[in-house]
Amino acid sequence: EAEVAQSPRYKITEKSQAVAFWCDPISGHATLYWYRQILGQGPELLVQFQDESVVDDSQLPKDRFSAERLKGVDSTLKIQPAELGDSAMYLCASSLGPRQNTEAFFGQGTRLTVV
Amino acid sequence: KNQVEQSPQSLIILEGKNCTLQCNYTVSPFSNLRWYKQDTGRGPVSLTIMTFSENTKSNGRYTATLDADTKQSSLHITASQLSDSASYICVVISSGGSYIPTFGRGTSLIVHP
Repeated sequence: EAEVAQSPRYKITEKSQAVAFWCDPISGHATLYWYRQILGQGPELLVQFQDESVVDDSQLPKDRFSAERLKGVDSTLKIQPAELGDSAMYLCASSLGPRQNTEAFFGQGTRLTVV
Repeated sequence: KNQVEQSPQSLIILEGKNCTLQCNYTVSPFSNLRWYKQDTGRGPVSLTIMTFSENTKSNGRYTATLDADTKQSSLHITASQLSDSASYICVVISSGGSYIPTFGRGTSLIVHP
């Protein structure tokens, strides 16, 4: 069964270090989302891609976060430098497109701990 | 500002009992509403997707309702099982251009034997 792949599953990093997460969406899915989920809260959209273009990144802290999807397939989310408050689950999701009734499938997430 | 409010924040029930989770939203323009189940430490899994014209949709023991006039939705779980213990998240998709999702904070459900 096709699934959204994310790596690593867990990451521990020291503050001020750089960290990167990778996401491989389901084949053929044009829309890709990155979310941040703090423990006990719902996911917060960081960035939405349509193919290789950014559709929405209004909630992305651009001074330290960057995201790219160069060939419109897999994507990387980077944090530099990491801060203690960045500790969270980072979820990637993909869908065939942004239209209504198009189901979004989530990966297992990357649990980031900044020490 | 688009918002999704869920209640209760947490709920504890006994196995076999029914329960109902609530979702109120102010997202506009409305495209569709989704309920997700998220097990601890895992990514969310879709339960239902409802459009403006749908009032009720079922998925096994899960039944979602939507009242687009009052901007309210509910998720009813029948004959709860231990495996229903999870966080249930309501997501409302705006149709304004890029179909941006707005997530609720979720309801944490614990089913005790």
